[in-house]
Amino acid sequence: EDQVTQSPEALRLQEGESSSLNCSYTVSGLRGLFWYRQDPGKGPEFLFTLYSAGEEKEKERLKATLTKKESFLHITAPKPEDSATYLCAVRVPDDYKLSFGAGTTVTVRA
Amino acid sequence: DGGITQSPKYLFRKEGQNVTLSCEQNLNHDAMYWYRQDPGQGLRLIYYSQIVNDFQKGDIAEGYSVSREKKESFPLTVTSAQKNPTAFYLCASITGATGELFFGEGSRLTVL
Repeated sequence: EDQVTQSPEALRLQEGESSSLNCSYTVSGLRGLFWYRQDPGKGPEFLFTLYSAGEEKEKERLKATLTKKESFLHITAPKPEDSATYLCAVRVPDDYKLSFGAGTTVTVRA
Repeated sequence: DGGITQSPKYLFRKEGQNVTLSCEQNLNHDAMYWYRQDPGQGLRLIYYSQIVNDFQKGDIAEGYSVSREKKESFPLTVTSAQKNPTAFYLCASITGATGELFFGEGSRLTVL
């Protein structure tokens, strides 16, 4: 069974303190790994899609990387507005479904 | 602007009642999805539809029903058979080319 595991569950950072979130996956073939940001009471907002090992994508203070078994979301010099829950999801070939991890809740203190 | 509209945002239901959550999209997406989100858990797939008049059960379909009579609309009915319906419900649609889901703002259902 395909599985997506995110760690840690929660992360408390001081403003400017860089860190990384992990998303490990066990799928039989990968058709894309997706990162989303979700604010409380809102729908998830798309951040990145990664398709193959070695691929990297950046957006402002966020950088996503992908290996054959896991992905990292690096947050560089975070600000309080980066506080949110970050979700990881994977999609396999010939399947319209995305399987989601439980998320990492990031809190950045000023 | 194109997007996905869910309504209502908040809904209260008495035990034994059916309720229907609305989801409308104007993105011209073929596939639409319903997910359920509970605290500390990932999004779990309830139903999805790839084309009009066709839909498939997801991982937790028991106690839910859907219809797909129009490309733009994918309503979800939470029936009285759903034992623990209090949750945050998210509707999404997908771009075929890139595969990322676009989500609505969600509907929070509370059973009194």
